[in-house]
Amino acid sequence: AQSVAQPEDQVNVAEGNPLTVKCTYSVSGNPYLFWYVQYPNRGLQFLLKYITGDNLVKGSYGFEAEFNKSQTSFHLKKPSALVSDSALYFCAVREYSGAGSYQLTFGKGTKLSVIP
Amino acid sequence: EAGVAQSPRYKIIEKRQSVAFWCNPISGHATLYWYQQILGQGPKLLIQFQNNGVVDDSQLPKDRFSAERLKGVDSTLKIQPAKLEDSAVYLCASSLTSGSLYNEQFFGPGTRLTVL
Repeated sequence: AQSVAQPEDQVNVAEGNPLTVKCTYSVSGNPYLFWYVQYPNRGLQFLLKYITGDNLVKGSYGFEAEFNKSQTSFHLKKPSALVSDSALYFCAVREYSGAGSYQLTFGKGTKLSVIP
Repeated sequence: EAGVAQSPRYKIIEKRQSVAFWCNPISGHATLYWYQQILGQGPKLLIQFQNNGVVDDSQLPKDRFSAERLKGVDSTLKIQPAKLEDSAVYLCASSLTSGSLYNEQFFGPGTRLTVL
């Protein structure tokens, strides 16, 4: 089975500073990786995905992620953090589940707090 | 475009009672997913439908959980009888199909269940 790991339960960063939320993956074939964000009392919102192509993926709200095959990582980044970025961030891997179907397996999440 | 709708948003029940959650996916989305998100963890897939057929229910505790999507549109997830460990947020998601690497899943706001 494929999996992702988010080694940090919480990340604190000052407003205006760059932020990084870490994710590493373990897959048996090509990795298909996603980042989602969850604001309080709301469902998950898609941020970005890596399927193939450029290792630097740009997504919503100014976020980007760098796919690194040698380090099996897919870290989420933003050059300048906003207080409104404070939320729960989930890394996920898409895997083939059979019968022509794909599924997402999520990490445990990282809580990002941006301090004014 | 309307998003994924879920109701109720919150539910409090006592153990051994039954409860049902409803989900209406985005119009035209053939695939519907139910996830369980326990506090401090990432969402875990319970069941996946393609139209009105079950694609994967391998992680659904079938002795107490059931789900249906009779007309291939909205869906109901039921727990009977509930246990304390069922306290979680139940998320519904939908996608155009599940057979493509590129299709994103869109999530509803979730139903927060508390079992006392």
